Amino acid sequence: DTAVSQTPKYLVTQMGNDKSIKCEQNLGHDTMYWYKQDSKKFLKIMFSYNNKELIINETVPNRFSPKSPDKAHLNLHINSLELGDSAVYFCASSPTNTDTQYFGPGTRLTVL
Amino acid sequence: AQTVTQSQPEMSVQEAETVTLSCTYDTSENNYYLFWYKQPPSRQMILVIRQEAYKQQNATENRFSVNFQKAAKSFSLKISDSQLGDTAMYFCAFTNYNTDKLIFGTGTRLQVFP
Repeated sequence: DTAVSQTPKYLVTQMGNDKSIKCEQNLGHDTMYWYKQDSKKFLKIMFSYNNKELIINETVPNRFSPKSPDKAHLNLHINSLELGDSAVYFCASSPTNTDTQYFGPGTRLTVL
Repeated sequence: AQTVTQSQPEMSVQEAETVTLSCTYDTSENNYYLFWYKQPPSRQMILVIRQEAYKQQNATENRFSVNFQKAAKSFSLKISDSQLGDTAMYFCAFTNYNTDKLIFGTGTRLQVFP
């Protein structure tokens, strides 16, 4: 009964490639998010969607494109991967746009 | 701009003892939420405790409690009867009523020793 799931959990790829990370929540929440955790463990929001609509785009390079096919899914597509994209990416969801956020298990992306 | 500061990069405590992790924040908002999240080595982000700013009573969840001082903009986490499984990174986080995003502190690495 996973609440917020992400696939894959680990992703190793070469510079310049394009990759996607998928996120699904079965909590019936309206709002979903992507966060990036860097090598120093600092967490920062990238995007938030409310009912499939983009609410926040936190000055993320346009190589990152979130897509929300429905309110239970928020996928992250990254074009032309760079070394600096290596990080752990967390998906999260919340029942309203200011309430508690529940996180997925994270995806560790390594760009070689 | 809203900020969250955790001034203790690392803390350690012996099993069964009590430890307090510090967090301060800066905001001009009056209505907001504060959270403590735990990140064990498994990497999962786990909600520990939540406090609504309009509530004067400090939140408590079993062995975890907070000391919320709104005027001082302080939100410390007390862990009583520490257990080995409490070993983790602890993040303090803030969100207000007008924004979607959680703003995190830099985290405190807690080690519980037997």
